[in-house]
Amino acid sequence: DIQMTQSPSSLSASVGDRVTITCRASHSINNYLNWYQQKPGNAPKLLIYAASSLQGGVPSKFSGSVSGTDFTLTISSLQPEDFATYYCQQTYSTPWTFGQGTKVEIK
Amino acid sequence: QVQVVESGGGLVKPGGSLRLSCGASGFTFSDFYMSWIRQAPGKGLEWVSYISYSSSYTNYADSVRGRFTISRDNAKNSLYLQMSSLRADDTAVYYCARVSGSGSSSLDYWGQGTLVTVSS
Repeated sequence: DIQMTQSPSSLSASVGDRVTITCRASHSINNYLNWYQQKPGNAPKLLIYAASSLQGGVPSKFSGSVSGTDFTLTISSLQPEDFATYYCQQTYSTPWTFGQGTKVEIK
Repeated sequence: QVQVVESGGGLVKPGGSLRLSCGASGFTFSDFYMSWIRQAPGKGLEWVSYISYSSSYTNYADSVRGRFTISRDNAKNSLYLQMSSLRADDTAVYYCARVSGSGSSSLDYWGQGTLVTVSS
């Protein structure tokens, strides 16, 4: 199975901060990497697919990048509505696996 | 607009069975793979299963293989998850999601989830 190691597990940030979340795959996943946002009590929402493609309707403050097996989600300027838990997911091979999540909290 | 709506969750005893349903609308259901994902209380996301357009291909997480069966009825725009031999660690919110046809098989539309509680 491909392990997805996400870091940090949580972070505190202020409105307006630039935030970076990283996900490392245990094997090459050929950019089959997606990012989701989940707010308490809600279903996850797709933000980024194929490592760096922005899902329709998602604000451009979200971006994804890749370097080898390291994937990064960046929020350019954190807003109150962005406080949530973020998950990466690989769909290169089954079982599809998620990172453990990063909870972004208000400082 | 695209919608998927789960139903069928509830309280079941260990060893029991339950069938979840997911109704889809707003898109051509038969053109998309579909998937189930679950989330135990206070925990992260765990992929459970997916099924191909015409049910030719299915795949399961090791944790549910042999106990859960995914199926679909394209005429009814519906996805199902038959769960048997349920255990306490199957307790979770179960989400139905559409598998995107573009890029990296992302899960582009999710339902609101249905809670399954396995307890005596």
